[in-house]
Amino acid sequence: SQKIEQNSEALNIQEGKTATLTCNYTNYSPAYLQWYRQDPGRGPVFLLLIRENEKEKRKERLKVTFDTTLKQSLFHITASQPADSATYLCALGFSGGYNKLIFGAGTRLAVHP
Amino acid sequence: DAGVIQSPRHEVTEMGQEVTLRCKPISGHDYLFWYRQTMMRGLELLIYFNNNVPIDDSGMPEDRFSAKMPNASFSTLKIQPSEPRDSAVYFCASSIHRDGGGRDGYTFGSGTRLTVV
Repeated sequence: SQKIEQNSEALNIQEGKTATLTCNYTNYSPAYLQWYRQDPGRGPVFLLLIRENEKEKRKERLKVTFDTTLKQSLFHITASQPADSATYLCALGFSGGYNKLIFGAGTRLAVHP
Repeated sequence: DAGVIQSPRHEVTEMGQEVTLRCKPISGHDYLFWYRQTMMRGLELLIYFNNNVPIDDSGMPEDRFSAKMPNASFSTLKIQPSEPRDSAVYFCASSIHRDGGGRDGYTFGSGTRLTVV
C-alpha cells in the first residue's frame, strides 16, 4: 500500500543543535517533494520544494535532501532556535498534470533553550 | 494580499444540521484545494479546482459532502447532513503553479475547526 511516514514521536533537541527530520515513502513515485511548517491553530506554511532530479536544496538555516533510491527526504534545521518549535510536514507531488499534494502526518519538533 | 481567508474559524453544530464552510483564495491563484485534518488521518485532500472547475473530487468522503466554486474569488464546502465523525479542521489552500505550487508551494488559510455534537 502507499504510505508516507514521518516520525510520529516528537523530536526534542537543545537550542543550537541541528534538527533532522525524516520523510519516507512507499509505493509512490513523486516528481517533487515539499516541506511545510505548521504552528498550533494555524494552516501549514510552505518552506521548501525539491525536485526528483535535485539532491539537495538550501534556504538560510534549512537544508533538504531527496533520495529517490531510498525513497526518503531529510529536512535539517541548523543552529535551531526555540522559535523553530512546530510541526513539520512533508508532502509529495506528482507530474502528469496533477496539481495535488499528498501530505505526511508530520513530526513535532521542540527546541529547548 | 490578506492571504487565503476562511470563515468561520470555529463552527459547532448538531448532528444532522447543514454546515457551510467558506474560502476566499489569493487573487490570481487559479488552483483551490480543500483539505481536512484530523489526528488520526492527518491532512487529506478532499477536492481541488482549477479555474473554478472541479478537477479531482476523489477524496470527498461521501455524498453528504459537496463543494462549489462559483467564481475565482469564492468557494464553499458543504456538509449535509453533518455527523460527529465529520469533526475536524478544514483547510482551504490556493496556488498559482500547476506543480504543487512550484517554488511558492500552496498557501493555506487558517482553517475552520468544525465540531459536530
